[in-house]
Parts: sequence; structure tokens; C-alpha cells
Amino acid sequence: DGGITQSPKYLFRKEGQNVTLSCEQNLNHDAMYWYRQDPGQGLRLIYYSQIVNDFQKGDIAEGYSVSREKKESFPLTVTSAQKNPTAFYLCASSIASHYNYGYTFGSGTRLTVV
Amino acid sequence: GQQVMQIPQYQHVQEGEDFTTYCNSSTTLSNIQWYKQRPGGHPVFLIQLVKSGEVKKQKRLTFQFGEAKKNSSLHITATQTTDVGTYFCAGSGSNYKLTFGKGTLLTVNP
Repeated sequence: DGGITQSPKYLFRKEGQNVTLSCEQNLNHDAMYWYRQDPGQGLRLIYYSQIVNDFQKGDIAEGYSVSREKKESFPLTVTSAQKNPTAFYLCASSIASHYNYGYTFGSGTRLTVV
Repeated sequence: GQQVMQIPQYQHVQEGEDFTTYCNSSTTLSNIQWYKQRPGGHPVFLIQLVKSGEVKKQKRLTFQFGEAKKNSSLHITATQTTDVGTYFCAGSGSNYKLTFGKGTLLTVNP
């Protein structure tokens, strides 16, 4: 079955450590996205990528970094510069971003920084 | 920037009652999408509306896009316990970037 795989499902890290969240899709989608979800805040866009080797900052990119070396993969690094990293992180993909199609979301990674 | 407001934030109903959530944008939208997120789950795409005044139905769910393309609604007829979850609207403007509302959490008392 085609879909998006996020790993791990739960992640615990000590304050000051960088951590990388994995996102892999086999849907052959061009566009990929990272969202952060906090209780009562909805989904906020961190970074997005329309094609390989290209990505743009979203609304809350500070303290995060991404790469898009392969079409299937869009890992997110939460750096020590992110002031409040504990959150639910969702990766999504879509056919293309020049016209909006529905997004397919992964099952998410719940990051807790202690 | 573009803002998408969604009301109510919470809605509790008795099973069998109807439910409606409303979405309003500060700018004219090119299209609007609706998603459902079950508790502990991830958002799942329900539908996209593109045309002014468009109405689409999926079984007990009715989706509307306003004439001015600045608002939308999702109406569920005769709610069931399986309808529990958070319903998000997401709109895109001229830059095609999708902006999500904060969602409406629906709980259903059996």
C-alpha cells in the first residue's frame, strides 16, 4: 500500500540535543510538508518542498532544518535553537503544490524534550 | 498574512443530533479543503471545494463553499459515535499555500 511513513512514533530527547525525524513516502508525490501540532493551535507549517533539492520556510521555521535529497524522503531536524520543541510533528505529501490537491499525512511523531 | 478562523472550538452533541462547524477566511480563497483527525490519529483528507457556492455531500456530511469564497461549512446530519474527532478546514489563496484553521473538536454522547 502506498503511504507516508514517519518514524519513530514517540521520541524523547534531552534539552540541547538535535534530533532528526524521518518521513518517507512511496506515493510518487512531488510536494512534501512538515507541520507542527500543539493542543488548541491547529497545524502550523514548518517547511515545505515542491521538488527535490529545493525547499522553503513555512510560518514557524526558526529552530528547524530540512533536506530533500530524494523525492521520497523529507527529514526534519529539530535543533537546540528551537525554544519549545515538545510537540506532535506531522509530515504530509501531495501530488503538486501549484494546484492544491488533498494532502496525505503520516501518522506523526510525538517529540518530548526533557 | 492569510488567516483561517474556525468556530466553534468545541462541540458536544447527543448521538443523533446535527453538528455544524464554520470556517472564515480573511481573504478570498482559491479553494478550501476539509480534514478529519480522530483522537490520537492524523488528519485525513475529506474533500476539496473550488467553485463559488459549491455544495458537496458525502453520506451524512454536507460541505458548502460560500458565494464570496471566503467562508465554508461542514454539516453532519444525525451524528454517530464514529464522527468523533477534530474537523479542520484549510484554505489556500493566490499563492496556493494551505492555511489550516485551528479545528473543531466534536464529541458525541451515545
